[in-house]
Amino acid sequence: QVQLEQSGAEVKKPGASVKVSCKASGYSFTSHDINWMRQATGQGLEWVGWVNPSSGNKGYAQKFQGRVTLTTNTSINTAYMELSSLRSDDTAVYYCARQMWSHYYNWFDPWGQGTLVTVSS
Amino acid sequence: DIQMTQSPSSLSASVGDRVIITCRANQSISSYLNWYQQRPGKAPDLLIYAATSLQSGVPSRFSGGGSGTDFTLTISSLQPEDFATYYCQQSYSSPPEYTFGQGTRLNIK
Repeated sequence: QVQLEQSGAEVKKPGASVKVSCKASGYSFTSHDINWMRQATGQGLEWVGWVNPSSGNKGYAQKFQGRVTLTTNTSINTAYMELSSLRSDDTAVYYCARQMWSHYYNWFDPWGQGTLVTVSS
Repeated sequence: DIQMTQSPSSLSASVGDRVIITCRANQSISSYLNWYQQRPGKAPDLLIYAATSLQSGVPSRFSGGGSGTDFTLTISSLQPEDFATYYCQQSYSSPPEYTFGQGTRLNIK
């Protein structure tokens, strides 16, 4: 079955960087964009950006421009999200999700299980 | 940016009730609207895409409606497993700058 398996929880100090991985299985990894979202505790969902594993093309939410880098390694079917200059308000669960398209419509399915990133001194 | 506003923010209902959650965009997004269900401690699951299309495997008591700026998610007869938080998401923006509603928490009455 289609699955996205994310790396484990991270604890980082303010100013540091974190890199979260998302390993895909059960489908052709290069056929679908991977999107990243985050969710602070008790809060809603926030879109971070997208990456195309085949072309390497990517795009980021304006809020994260300059601080986030999305990459992929097609040899191991894995996507990565690196967030730098961490602040306490970056503490959140980060999710990856496969993007599906039909005609011009698109949606996220499935999602990874989430990775908790805690930023604390 | 396209802002998405859900109402209500929380809702108490009983098993068997019919529930409607609304989502409004601050500009027309045609039918580029998706709905997700999130249970506590879990990742979101897709329920409805393109405003009205039911994701495979999702029970038929869930249905989506609307287009333009106003959308609805209807649960025809609440089941115990439906008590969760629901999010709408617009997929209209190009280049992408996708946004979610703030969520509707559905509680047991």
